[in-house]
Amino acid sequence: AQSVSQHNHHVILSEAASLELGCNYSYGGTVNLFWYVQYPGQHLQLLLKYFSGDPLVKGIKGFEAEFIKSKFSFNLRKPSVQWSDTAEYFCAVNANGNNRLAFGKGNQVVVIP
Amino acid sequence: EAQVTQNPRYLITVTGKKLTVTCSQNMNHEYMSWYRQDPGLGLRQIYYSMNVEVTDKGDVPEGYKVSRKEKRNFPLILESPSPNQTSLYFCASSRAGTGRETQYFGPGTRLLVL
Repeated sequence: AQSVSQHNHHVILSEAASLELGCNYSYGGTVNLFWYVQYPGQHLQLLLKYFSGDPLVKGIKGFEAEFIKSKFSFNLRKPSVQWSDTAEYFCAVNANGNNRLAFGKGNQVVVIP
Repeated sequence: EAQVTQNPRYLITVTGKKLTVTCSQNMNHEYMSWYRQDPGLGLRQIYYSMNVEVTDKGDVPEGYKVSRKEKRNFPLILESPSPNQTSLYFCASSRAGTGRETQYFGPGTRLLVL
């Protein structure tokens, strides 16, 4: 079945540490890829997205993600996290061109000051 | 300000008592969708709508109904709520297109069914 996988659901790290969250999908063909973030008590908002071109995309707040087609992956990274990055992060994939998104189960990230 | 609004934000109800959660967007978006968010399960799509009078089931539609009589509104209806529908619900909207569009989410409605 088609799916979006996110591993290490709970991540705890200290400020200034580097963060990498994995996202793998099982859809074939052309995909549109997204990372959304949900800060505590808030709604989801877009961090970054990838459609085509340079596989390394930059988003808001210093986040970036790399698309590796051969690995069906779209991992999110940030070199140095801050306490304000405490949030839940969701990878989402569109594989059918009709606006529908399939979400992963999310990564709960806690940054300790 | 461009936004998606949901009401109510919090709701406690009892099994079997019909309820409606409203969703409204002011961005003239064609596409609207409802998700439920449960711990460890991420977001799962309940229903979506590509435009007025066009709705379709998502991945977990059982126990829910929707309607799209106006472009800006997309209410979620629980005809006979059950405790397994206790969840956090999000409405989202975007322009219709090729799947590259950013979806804009509402603030969420936390529902408890006793």
